[in-house]
Amino acid sequence: RKEVEQDPGPFNVPEGATVAFNCTYSNSASQSFFWYRQDCRKEPKLLMSVYSSGNEDGRFTAQLNRASQYISLLIRDSKLSDSATYLCVVNNEYGNKLVFGAGTILRVKS
Amino acid sequence: GAVVSQHPSRVICKSGTSVKIECRSLDFQATTMFWYRQFPKQSLMLMATSNEGSKATYEQGVEKDKFLINHASLTLSTLTVTSAHPEDSSFYICSARWGTEAFFGQGTRLTVV
Repeated sequence: RKEVEQDPGPFNVPEGATVAFNCTYSNSASQSFFWYRQDCRKEPKLLMSVYSSGNEDGRFTAQLNRASQYISLLIRDSKLSDSATYLCVVNNEYGNKLVFGAGTILRVKS
Repeated sequence: GAVVSQHPSRVICKSGTSVKIECRSLDFQATTMFWYRQFPKQSLMLMATSNEGSKATYEQGVEKDKFLINHASLTLSTLTVTSAHPEDSSFYICSARWGTEAFFGQGTRLTVV
């Protein structure tokens, strides 16, 4: 079983749509959680950290369920510029190693 | 925010030659840097952790004699792919932590012909 699993997609959605991505992780001792965005042939960039209480940043909402070892990302009012690969990232129990999911591809079309 | 610079961004080399990739933290000191490899449509896989002034820590399955890492200063880590083969063709990315956030270099696309 992979340490971090994501649905690879692609998710093809129209502009303005709401889309949700899910992620599960296997190490229950994992410390911290993130969503990164990676554009084609570019380096990953931090989109947002994920907290147990849930957090929101504009159109983006992240949720964490430690009991189920499940992380989600909700994007509202999708824009063309949201098209990218979204990486679920988990920090290990020692806080010294990031483990990446394979990513979920989002394509927003006009 | 913090900036990590990686060079070169793209390199094509002949099979059997060596390639050096540099990773610099431009506005902060990084005692630890990370080297990843990403094959098409796959996740970033950690290859090794580069430690300033000491030996790198390699992940299981990564040959330390093939992927030489040097972290001679607090702002520079280098990865040398020795005796490169076509199967080493990949996207190599370095990363450094600043606070709780990881920042990535722009990546190096290596093609071995």
